[in-house]
Amino acid sequence: TQLLEQSPQFLSIQEGENLTVYCNSSSVFSSLQWYRQEPGEGPVLLVTVVTGGEVKKLKRLTFQFGDARKDSSLHITAAQTGDTGLYLCAGEKDFNKFYFGSGTKLNVKP
Amino acid sequence: GAGVSQSPSNKVTEKGKDVELRCDPISGHTALYWYRQSLGQGLEFLIYFQGNSAPDKSGLPSDRFSAERTGGSVSTLTIQRTQQEDSAVYLCASSFLVGRLAGSYNEQFFGPGTRLTVL
Repeated sequence: TQLLEQSPQFLSIQEGENLTVYCNSSSVFSSLQWYRQEPGEGPVLLVTVVTGGEVKKLKRLTFQFGDARKDSSLHITAAQTGDTGLYLCAGEKDFNKFYFGSGTKLNVKP
Repeated sequence: GAGVSQSPSNKVTEKGKDVELRCDPISGHTALYWYRQSLGQGLEFLIYFQGNSAPDKSGLPSDRFSAERTGGSVSTLTIQRTQQEDSAVYLCASSFLVGRLAGSYNEQFFGPGTRLTVL
């Protein structure tokens, strides 16, 4: 069983639509990171959230850390074809140990 | 180069052969990780090095897998007697500590990976 449950597993939407990806756990994390990965490349860090209730924005992407630091969401507004990729969340526990969700494959159609 | 580098980028080997995968972390990063990823799925933790401490090997799937980190920098992941189920992308990451004391956290940066195919 995974420590972090990520949903949905797949998402196919039209350009311009909004979407939300969720990462949930029963465990508390000291920080949570979101990555985007394109085929043939390593994951690229998008953001780290640290404080319960924290909200961070990166252009059209909004990241939220749950109040209890057990869950997080990534919301994309007006998706673009360039947003296509695999989105991964990773929670940090036990200082420097990271637990990854299973990933969300996003396909944004023109 | 400022990022994590890995070599080779692709490796094709025959079942039963040994392979070595190399990772050059970002200079100054004290922690180094190896992960395995199958077919665009999530990452499976393999092993973690932190400074001079004993490595956390809890994710290694069998005793055919081993890793070392020389001089606190470059790391090599070795897979002995490869099996077809070892085929995957092997990712290396290094991390550094952001902030101080309470509220500090670590950020990981990944290399491009080595795609291993065992025939």
